[in-house]
Parts: sequence; structure tokens; C-alpha cells
Amino acid sequence: GENVEQHPSTLSVQEGDSAVIKCTYSDSASNYFPWYKQELGKRPQLIIDIRSNVGEKKDQRIAVTLNKTAKHFSLHITETQPEDSAVYFCGVSGGYQKVTFGTGTKLQVIP
Amino acid sequence: KAGVTQTPRYLIKTRGQQVTLSCSPISGHRSVSWYQQTPGQGLQFLFEYFSETQRNKGNFPGRFSGRQFSNSRSEMNVSTLELGDSALYLCASSRELAGVNEQFFGPGTRLTVL
Repeated sequence: GENVEQHPSTLSVQEGDSAVIKCTYSDSASNYFPWYKQELGKRPQLIIDIRSNVGEKKDQRIAVTLNKTAKHFSLHITETQPEDSAVYFCGVSGGYQKVTFGTGTKLQVIP
Repeated sequence: KAGVTQTPRYLIKTRGQQVTLSCSPISGHRSVSWYQQTPGQGLQFLFEYFSETQRNKGNFPGRFSGRQFSNSRSEMNVSTLELGDSALYLCASSRELAGVNEQFFGPGTRLTVL
């Protein structure tokens, strides 16, 4: 089955700095890569996703890059703010709604 | 439009018992997926239902089962509960127009097995 590794497990940055979270996957047939943000005590919410036919996608301060050859993708958050503090999960899917998630990155933005 | 709802929100059971969790998807969403969330393992896929049929299944023992009704509402059942089944159980619904689409998560059911 699909294997997803996510790094780092914890990340602390100063407010205004950038944060980068990386994920690698094993199944070359995977074609959908979502990123979810989960604040403490709340449900995961999609923040950005990318499909295999696209190399990069941006939405304001958030961007995701995908390298299909190397089977890795990354989440980039620029100009971090305290409200960005949360756990971030990367996901990988090869079809339908079966998403394999990484183990999460706890991001702390220090004011 | 109402979001995904799950009932109950909290459950306390003892080992050996069974439990049924319910999930109501967003109106118009036909796909419902279930995930187990634990501090050590993160989010793990249990199964996914679409039009009352199980389309995908994760690597969980047969004690974990589910079903979907004609109105897309879904239930999952865990029999012979073990201490390790203590977790947050999340369901997620998707409209699925073509391929994989955004999943909207419910608030989860916190299951504690004593």
C-alpha cells in the first residue's frame, strides 16, 4: 500500500518567517495531494491541494510544489502569523476518496 | 449548507463491548470516508462508501465495519472493543464529481475504551 512520510514532526518559526513541510510517497500512481490544517480541538480543513499534472500551486501565502519524479511534495507558508499555528497533514491519493495521510507536523509560530 | 455532523461526540465503553458511530454528510455528497486519529498514528483510513457500496478499505481488522444508507448517511461499527481502539473517529464527505475531490471532515467522535 501507499506509504507517506512527513517531515519535520515539529517546527517552530518566528512570526513573519517562512515554514516548509515536506512529504514523500511511494506509489507512483498517486495523483492527488491535499494538505489539511487541524487546529487544536478542531476538525481537519483543506488548505490547498494539487494534482499530478501540476507542478506548483499558490493561494495567497500558501504554496505547494510537487516533484513526481522524486515522489515528494512540499507545503510552503510565507509571512507566517500566530494563527498559522496548528498541525498540518499531507495526504496522498491514487483514486476515489482513499487518502493516506502523513503523521503530521506541529507548527508553532512565535510572536 | 450544514456541515458534516457526527453523533455521538463522546463515548465511553469497556473492553469487549461494541459501538456504533453515525455520520451525516453534507447534503448532496455521496461519498463518506472514515478515519481513525490517534496521537501516535495520525490519521488512518478505515473505509469509504459511495452509493451504499464500500469502495475502499484500509488495513484494519474485521472488527471494524461500516455501511451507508440510501440518504448517504453512514455508520461504522466496532465490535469486541480493545483498549487500543480509543481514538478520535472522523468521517469525511465528498461530492466527487470526477476523481478525488476535497473531503470535508466532521467534528469527530471521541471513543474511550476502559
